[in-house]
Amino acid sequence: DGGITQSPKYLFRKEGQNVTLSCEQNLNHDAMYWYRQDPGQGLRLIYYSQIVNDFQKGDIAEGYSVSREKKESFPLTVTSAQKNPTAFYLCASRQGNADTQYFGPGTRLTVL
Amino acid sequence: SQQGEEDPQALSIQEGENATMNCSYKTSINNLQWYRQNSGRGLVHLILIRSNEREKHSGRLRVTLDTSKKSSSLLITASRAADTASYFCATDAMVGGNEKLTFGTGTRLTIIP
Repeated sequence: DGGITQSPKYLFRKEGQNVTLSCEQNLNHDAMYWYRQDPGQGLRLIYYSQIVNDFQKGDIAEGYSVSREKKESFPLTVTSAQKNPTAFYLCASRQGNADTQYFGPGTRLTVL
Repeated sequence: SQQGEEDPQALSIQEGENATMNCSYKTSINNLQWYRQNSGRGLVHLILIRSNEREKHSGRLRVTLDTSKKSSSLLITASRAADTASYFCATDAMVGGNEKLTFGTGTRLTIIP
């Protein structure tokens, strides 16, 4: 899982609540990404950030928000506007022009 | 829709046999990457092949790329029980001016001891 940590590993949320997933990296990577994975599916891009204080929407950004105030941190907030938030969330990072992404261990979010 | 589509969706083989997984994609790419995911864990990068390459090896892994057919294959030779995992191809391409990695739906590989 490299130098990327995600917390918590498991998260339970009641409907209507916002929740924030943590992603921290000590690899000094410029770019960071959030993906969502549903059972038996591939990864879908939620948001990404190529530099501090800048981020862009991915393919499924509705109902999510992010911030990138520090290079090493890229938290994801799942808002109550996200209609089906139960999923496995993966954070990744990439250095400059390198092609490979390094992934964290993931957070499994369950909405009760 | 996903850029990469893997085939088969699931594969079970005996330990020691070779496992082959295929990936097809739709548009021009800079490179194609294969990742592995153990159940409930993050993805781990296995191998990358650039658009001007046709074949690449890394240990027991062999990747081929056919840009004319927009397809790639991953071969794992002499499989081991520890190879049991899901394998994803990911295509790296310019999308809307930004470099983007798009993942396929994956092949779930089970090695039977």
